[in-house]
Parts: sequence; C-alpha cells; structure tokens
Amino acid sequence: IAGITQAPTSQILAAGRRMTLRCTQDMRHNAMYWYRQDLGLGLRLIHYSNTAGTTGKGEVPDGYSVSRANTDDFPLTLASAVPSQTSVYFCASSDRRDRETGELFFGEGSRLTVL
Amino acid sequence: GQNIDQPTEMTATEGAIVQINCTYQTSGFNGLFWYQQHAGEAPTFLSYNVLDGLEEKGRFSSFLSRSKGYSYLLLKELQMKDSASYLCAVLDSNYQLIWGAGTKLIIKP
Repeated sequence: IAGITQAPTSQILAAGRRMTLRCTQDMRHNAMYWYRQDLGLGLRLIHYSNTAGTTGKGEVPDGYSVSRANTDDFPLTLASAVPSQTSVYFCASSDRRDRETGELFFGEGSRLTVL
Repeated sequence: GQNIDQPTEMTATEGAIVQINCTYQTSGFNGLFWYQQHAGEAPTFLSYNVLDGLEEKGRFSSFLSRSKGYSYLLLKELQMKDSASYLCAVLDSNYQLIWGAGTKLIIKP
C-alpha cells in the first residue's frame, strides 16, 4: 500500500451499535488526525495524535475515541452510534516537524450512515 | 471565535481565469493552506502561504495578505477537470488547522 488506507469505505449501521473505522499509513508520519466532513461545514477535527502513544481531543470529540498503539495505525471508535454521527470521515497524516502541521495527506474517506 | 469565509459556489468558463477568495479571523496565524477536493474524493494539497505575496505553481497561484486577513486562489486556463471544491484552511496560534466550508467551482464548456 502507499499512503493512507481507510476501511470500510462505506457503512450503514443501527443507532446504538459500536463501530470502529480503521486507518493505516505507510509513510512513517508522526502525526495523524480524524476529521468529519458534513455538507456546508468545513472539516472538523475529532481527535489527533502527534506521535505514537499520545492522543488529543479536537473540536468535536464527544462520542468518539481513538488509540495510537504504533506509528502506522489510528483507529476511530464510535462506542454507541447516534444519527448525528452520520457523516464522511477522513483520516489524515502529516510529517510534523517542530510545531508545524505541514501538508496533510488524506485517506479516501469512510461514509457512515447511522439509522 | 475563529472564522474562515469563502464563497459557497462559483461558476467559470473553460479556458478562463477564476479567483476564489478566502477571508479569515483566527487566534493567531501560522500559515494558510489551499486544498482541492473532487466530489466523493479526499482533499489534496495545493498550496501553502505564510508570508505576504503571491506563490505561483503552474496554472495555480495563491496570494496572502496577513494584515487584511485575506487570501485568494487564482486558477488560469481553466480545464473541466478543475471542477471541484477548493478548501481554505488557516493554522492558528495553537498550530490547529481551521477549515473553511469550501468553494464549489463549476466549469462550463
């Protein structure tokens, strides 16, 4: 693989179910991010990780959790899905030097529908 | 609060020039990014400005005025494949990216 891979690309699930969106990168980037994109709104940061073993909350973290056990993987979990979490989710990574974000590389997105 | 403003939609003709504006009000400034996003696809990086002035990259140029909180993306010799959304994003004082809602550019033959 080259770049960032997200799975699944699309999913429909019932409200109350648990769901994990997977994200893997092979660029050895230290920083990784999860965004959601909704019509008419800009990309909104859910959670981020500046380096393996650390995570932080973004603008809209409620209802989501992440882990960063190693450099390559950054899964996003919805513990109990609600309809307002219907969105397109993008995973991204960057080569974060010092405190600069640098250019972001995005996965192809996961379209999630919660009924 | 922090705010990024861009027009929602613009229409231009193939072969022409179009300018997409972005104004921002953020807590600090550490750079401005432009990304292109085709429908149903991921955003891809176009340009980065941190100093005032014009950055040219082929058919695309990006301008920044920090004193005015203003940037524009200039697309020349428009092609049908340029039909996409263009996202403006600012890196604030905490090095967090603040994103605009994007400008949908429609190219007509």
